[in-house]
Amino acid sequence: EAGVAQSPRYKIIEKRQSVAFWCNPISGHATLYWYQQILGQGPKLLIQFQNNGVVDDSQLPKDRFSAERLKGVDSTLKIQPAKLEDSAVYLCAERGSGANVLTFGAGSRLTVL
Amino acid sequence: GDSVTQMEGPVTLSEEAFLTINCTYTATGYPSLFWYVQYPGEGLQLLLKATKADDKGSNKGFEATYRKETTSFHLEKGSVQVSDSAVYFCALSEIQGAQKLVFGQGTRLTINP
Repeated sequence: EAGVAQSPRYKIIEKRQSVAFWCNPISGHATLYWYQQILGQGPKLLIQFQNNGVVDDSQLPKDRFSAERLKGVDSTLKIQPAKLEDSAVYLCAERGSGANVLTFGAGSRLTVL
Repeated sequence: GDSVTQMEGPVTLSEEAFLTINCTYTATGYPSLFWYVQYPGEGLQLLLKATKADDKGSNKGFEATYRKETTSFHLEKGSVQVSDSAVYFCALSEIQGAQKLVFGQGTRLTINP
């Protein structure tokens, strides 16, 4: 079975609370990405993993965002503490080895009040 | 750095009209170019791609040609349907290195019957 599973689909929290998103690239490909998509904008890369290692996290706000990839498969993205401007859809994607096409999950929509 | 610029939306057309969504890019190397589509309530899906100059990507009646001389990858469809209503994203990916996707801001398309 191909695809990327994400959860939860929706989350509403108050500012300064914490939240975690989970991603399971069912195909188990080596390269995994987290993107942030703010309403009305294109997705922006937060972090890219190659197996367990981080390839690019230059756009990740490291004072509040963290991400890890467990055993080179599942990944979690955490925000602590959340700010109003973190309201967005968080997209997880995988890229198959040798391919330059990304497969995206349905996303996790975060609303910070 | 690399960037993608799309025509401003939203775009509203009548069924069977001709569609063009403009996309231009800036890149240091020779990227692959993509159009992704996001239907209401769904995740990003690859619509078509082109990997080198003068390549034409096509899918579901949509076409786009990789124009290196004008650094463009405009999306076209000869006769749109109501089911084409979605948000369309142009994106690029460098062939070498991290191969992350860089997205444009998206163009919302609404087709009226």
